[in-house]
Formats: sequence, structure tokens, C-alpha cells
Amino acid sequence: AQSVAQPEDQVNVAEGNPLTVKCTYSVSGNPYLFWYVQYPNRGLQFLLKYITGDNLVKGSYGFEAEFNKSQTSFHLKKPSALVSDSALYFCAVRDFAGNAGNMLTFGGGTRLMVKP
Amino acid sequence: EAGVTQFPSHSVIEKGQTVTLRCDPISGHDNLYWYRRVMGKEIKFLLHFVKESKQDESGMPNNRFLAERTGGTYSTLKVQPAELEDSGVYFCASSQVGGSADTQYFGPGTRLTVL
Repeated sequence: AQSVAQPEDQVNVAEGNPLTVKCTYSVSGNPYLFWYVQYPNRGLQFLLKYITGDNLVKGSYGFEAEFNKSQTSFHLKKPSALVSDSALYFCAVRDFAGNAGNMLTFGGGTRLMVKP
Repeated sequence: EAGVTQFPSHSVIEKGQTVTLRCDPISGHDNLYWYRRVMGKEIKFLLHFVKESKQDESGMPNNRFLAERTGGTYSTLKVQPAELEDSGVYFCASSQVGGSADTQYFGPGTRLTVL
């Protein structure tokens, strides 16, 4: 079975400071990892994904995430937070071998609050 | 290019009533998925269509839920009869190729409230 954990329900950061939203995963094979963001009253918006290759993945709006196989983590980062980054962030995983079909398994979400 | 659209955006019904949710995927996307988020918990997979065929319906909670995708274009998800625990946000997603590396693009969701 595949699973995702987002250990923080909420992350607070001041504008201009770096931010990290944590994600750890569990799959039986190699993982495909995704980050999505949900702005208020909007749907889930794709940010970035790790498939293979470079462990540092760059995505939309200046976000990046680092795949760490030994720690089974895929933390989302941004060097300088903006107030407009305040939203709900979801990490998701899919098993490379497709053992669970094409379904994405999501974490519980982390609310990011960036204060001016 | 238009994204995934869902209708209605909100639905409030009473227990025992029927509700039908609609999803229009991105044009040309053969793969269509339904997910839901209940009570602020994790987003959970419901089922996956490839064109008009159900590829995986392992996440459907019970037989009160019926999903269709006639003609392989839009999809509907009917809940009949609705129960209180069905309240939540129902998301639809679509993808072009399918497979593990494929990106799923999500719609805005339908917020269902069962009273």
C-alpha cells in the first residue's frame, strides 16, 4: 500500500523568509511524487513532480522540492515566501510500478500562512 | 486551453435525495478520475475511466455511487440516496496519457452538503 504523511497541519512564515512544507511517503516500489496547491475557492493546481533524474525539482511560482530516497521525503521549498503563497498544499504519491493503479494517494494537506 | 470543469460548484440536498455531479475533462484527455475529500481529511481516490471504460473503481465507497462516462467525454457521478457522510468536496481530474508518470489536472471541485 502507498501512503503520504504531511506532519504539519499549518506552517506560518513571514514574507520574505524561506519556507518548507514537509512530506514523507511510503510505497512498495519506486515513487512518483507530486505537489498540488489549492487556493481559496479554487481547485487543486499542479505545482511540480518528481519522476526520475535530478533530486531537486523546480516547479511553478518559484517552488522547488527535493527528493530524498533514504529519508523517503519530498519536502516543498521556496527561498522567499510571498503573502500570495498562502494556500493549502497537498503532497501525493504514485507507485512507479503501478501496483495501485493510476490513483494518486494524498497527504492530509498543510495550510501555509505567509504574514506580511 | 480550457481546464477541467465541474458542475455544480455547490450542492445542498437532504438525506435520501439524489444528486448528480458532472465533470468535463480537458479536451483530448482519455483518462478521467474522481476523488473526494470528506470532513477535511485526505483526498481519496474513487475511480478511474479510460475513455468510456472503468479502469479502476476500487475507491467507490458503496453501491449508492454510480459513475458513468458515456461516449468517453464528460462524466457524471450520481449519489442515490445521499447520506450525511457523503458530504465533502468531489474533485474530478483528467490526464492525457495515463500511466504512473502522467500528471493529473484537477477541476475546482463540487462541494456537496447533505443535511
